[in-house]
Amino acid sequence: DTEVTQTPKHLVMGMTNKKSLKCEQHMGHRAMYWYKQKAKKPPELMFVYSYEKLSINESVPSRFSPECPNSSLLNLHLHALQPEDSALYLCASSQFGLLAETQYFGPGTRLLVL
Amino acid sequence: KNEVEQSPQNLTAQEGEFITINCSYSVGISALHWLQQHPGGGIVSLFMLSSGKKKHGRLIATINIQEKHSSLHITASHPRDSAVYICAVKETSGSRLTFGEGTQLTVNP
Repeated sequence: DTEVTQTPKHLVMGMTNKKSLKCEQHMGHRAMYWYKQKAKKPPELMFVYSYEKLSINESVPSRFSPECPNSSLLNLHLHALQPEDSALYLCASSQFGLLAETQYFGPGTRLLVL
Repeated sequence: KNEVEQSPQNLTAQEGEFITINCSYSVGISALHWLQQHPGGGIVSLFMLSSGKKKHGRLIATINIQEKHSSLHITASHPRDSAVYICAVKETSGSRLTFGEGTQLTVNP
């Protein structure tokens, strides 16, 4: 199984809502990543979890809160988002968390904040 | 100036043509990735290179560390190759990937 799954595929939320994005992999990878991608732009790294510990936080606003309950699951909790947070949110995983290794990406969650 | 620059930004080809996409970078790297992103968002990792050349089916990726340059070649292109191709580098100092802006490839039948 070389698949990274993400739910939901699409999400529309208001600025006062609280929602969560979920990501799952069963490849035994010990590193998981959240990226944000705006239209026609490359992905921007948000967070990296390595061995279930947050190892990189790219100065992401606190309205985004990551959580890694176990090595297969990664959540991104959203609260009080702004319309400019509308984007494609991509999850990825890799074997050990070394960025010089292949990352496997999920299909993404397309988020619209109204 | 971006640390990772791709050319061309947009490329249109006829089915069967040989395609080259270029990536130049200005920092020391430990690895370079080529990624493919289809409309709808899903990203597929095509290659990870630290030296030399890799081939997978009709795709070939090369890297010249001294010249800080990599190319992605597609032989016998097909409309299903239409996608955005993204180059990303892992700097030797630092802990994240730096992405190029991507090349939008359209292959017409």
